[in-house]
Amino acid sequence: QSALTQPRSVSGSPGQSVTISCTGTSSDVGGYSFVSWYQQHPGKAPKVMIYDVSKRPSGVPDRFSGSKSGNTASLTISGLQADDEADYYCCSYAGPFTLIFGGGTKLTVL
Amino acid sequence: QVTLRESGPALVKPTQTLTLTCTFSGFSLSTSGMCVSWIRQPPGKALEWLALIEWDDDKYYSTSLKTRLTISKDISKNQVVLTMTNMDPVDTATYYCARGSGVRYLDSWGQGTLVTVSS
Repeated sequence: QSALTQPRSVSGSPGQSVTISCTGTSSDVGGYSFVSWYQQHPGKAPKVMIYDVSKRPSGVPDRFSGSKSGNTASLTISGLQADDEADYYCCSYAGPFTLIFGGGTKLTVL
Repeated sequence: QVTLRESGPALVKPTQTLTLTCTFSGFSLSTSGMCVSWIRQPPGKALEWLALIEWDDDKYYSTSLKTRLTISKDISKNQVVLTMTNMDPVDTATYYCARGSGVRYLDSWGQGTLVTVSS
């Protein structure tokens, strides 16, 4: 199983919005509503930002939103802040009872 | 408060077997729906899911690594153990354990433990 496809890097200025895509297949992203997104700062453990495609855990700002169309999921971060600079990983259920991560996207806040 | 902590050797030799322990608190792995996964991340590279164990002792493995992995749990000690056989330098990575809400998402992670494979 190949990793989900994410852009290597994205960037944006403070206050702007950025969108990170995550492309899989009908056997993972397109086949289930179990897509999650993780933020990872350097040297730190990942933190879940979005689950079930578009749900936010408590404590995650509503500047973070998720969506899915076909085999591609997306994470949108609006009102960019300096602390949003991090690596972001998507993850999808890939049945049966297996998970697959994306290759990761480095977000730079200019 | 949910916490997880990974422990194990920092250095293993090629062909050896790696044993990692995840010690957790703040939840019980005997509670319906609970599960713990292991994930690894080679230096500078992406996350890779390895294995998952459910509250009812069902176990699931990465397709590409399943012949080398064994996951188990000790409810009395609040621990999950992962063994990986025939270690190779390409297995050098930070290994994380994380609590899962089934297969939906991983809501709490340990800080990770770096394992280097070298002779």
